[in-house]
Amino acid sequence: SQQGEEDPQALSIQEGENATMNCSYKTSINNLQWYRQNSGRGLVHLILIRSNEREKHSGRLRVTLDTSKKSSSLLITASRAADTASYFCATDAPDSGYSTLTFGKGTMLLVSP
Amino acid sequence: NAGVMQNPRHLVRRRGQEARLRCSPMKGHSHVYWYRQLPEEGLKFMVYLQKENIIDESGMPKERFSAEFPKEGPSILRIQQVVRGDSAAYFCASSPRGHLTYEQYFGPGTRLTVT
Repeated sequence: SQQGEEDPQALSIQEGENATMNCSYKTSINNLQWYRQNSGRGLVHLILIRSNEREKHSGRLRVTLDTSKKSSSLLITASRAADTASYFCATDAPDSGYSTLTFGKGTMLLVSP
Repeated sequence: NAGVMQNPRHLVRRRGQEARLRCSPMKGHSHVYWYRQLPEEGLKFMVYLQKENIIDESGMPKERFSAEFPKEGPSILRIQQVVRGDSAAYFCASSPRGHLTYEQYFGPGTRLTVT
């Protein structure tokens, strides 16, 4: 079954606006990661947030984690056309003891100039 | 420091043929993961390997699929007797440790098309 589910499936905004994507998961995690995938390319790691952290920043990115609701959000501020991509959240399986990841289906973000 | 390298980038096979996908992890990384991505889908974990060992192959189909990561050389994902449903993008990732707190670095992927 799907561990991470992103919402919305697709998001279209204008340059300069903020973009918010959400991720919900089902089982306990050790950490949650966000990745970006440009069309036809591999994934690029954006940010990792641990289960004992509530918020993390990296440049224009802000990630929150609410373990009680089993959800995370990714906020991209002052978006640019170059931010157009698919964004995936990925969770680990702490019971396994190692870092295989389970990905959601992703949110497709389109930023128009 | 070169990133994760995969080849070929695109592979076309007829039904029944074999597909071999190669992955060279980042320098210093001894943990390799293979994922499959179908169109409009997220990545699905297939197999996790360390040098000469398969740690977890729970995501890999029991038949026709195999993976190895030899002491020397790249990791290989092998698909025998390919079928149309094997058409997908296959990504490999590597990490310096298998521990939960380490991010994974992804290669550009191999796009397999079965005709």
